[in-house]
Amino acid sequence: KNQVEQSPQSLIILEGKNCTLQCNYTVSPFSNLRWYKQDTGRGPVSLTIMTFSENTKSNGRYTATLDADTKQSSLHITASQLSDSASYICVVSGGRGYSSASKIIFGSGTRLSIRP
Amino acid sequence: DAGVIQSPRHEVTEMGQEVTLRCKPISGHDYLFWYRQTMMRGLELLIYFNNNVPIDDSGMPEDRFSAKMPNASFSTLKIQPSEPRDSAVYFCASSLGQGLAKNIQYFGAGTRLSVL
Repeated sequence: KNQVEQSPQSLIILEGKNCTLQCNYTVSPFSNLRWYKQDTGRGPVSLTIMTFSENTKSNGRYTATLDADTKQSSLHITASQLSDSASYICVVSGGRGYSSASKIIFGSGTRLSIRP
Repeated sequence: DAGVIQSPRHEVTEMGQEVTLRCKPISGHDYLFWYRQTMMRGLELLIYFNNNVPIDDSGMPEDRFSAKMPNASFSTLKIQPSEPRDSAVYFCASSLGQGLAKNIQYFGAGTRLSVL
């Protein structure tokens, strides 16, 4: 069964600290993996997109890693800021392109809270 | 471009009533997606269109749900009759195409639906 599991469910850290969010998946065949940030009351915003050949991709203070062999991804946030408080959603696409809506699998997200 | 525009932002209705959600995708985007988000189930892809044609509606929960895209700049998601379990935030998203570089989906702000 195609699944995407994220951990932890929620996380609270102090401003300025680093943190790492995890995403494990069983989607096969694998096409790409995306990390989204969703602020409260808003739609998700894309942070990174990675294919199986990419190990690391950065977007400012956000760095995503992908291990296609172990089917794991992580999102590392450096020097956290209050504005990083949001839900972070891992999305894995299987197959080729948008061949099937059922092949776009969403994780349940990690709710991150940054405390001053 | 103003991004993906959804209306209304909030909708409160009584069980049994018809509800119509509207979406204007980003100009030039070939793909349009409708999602539903709840606390229990997270984000779910309901249906997506390519060049105004529905490609996959396997995520649509039941016949009470229908979606149309009469032209490249407008789509609707209709629920008739609505039920309390339909209460959720409904997001519309659009993207340029199937290639990975164009695979970023841009989300609207969502419509929060409450069915009493």
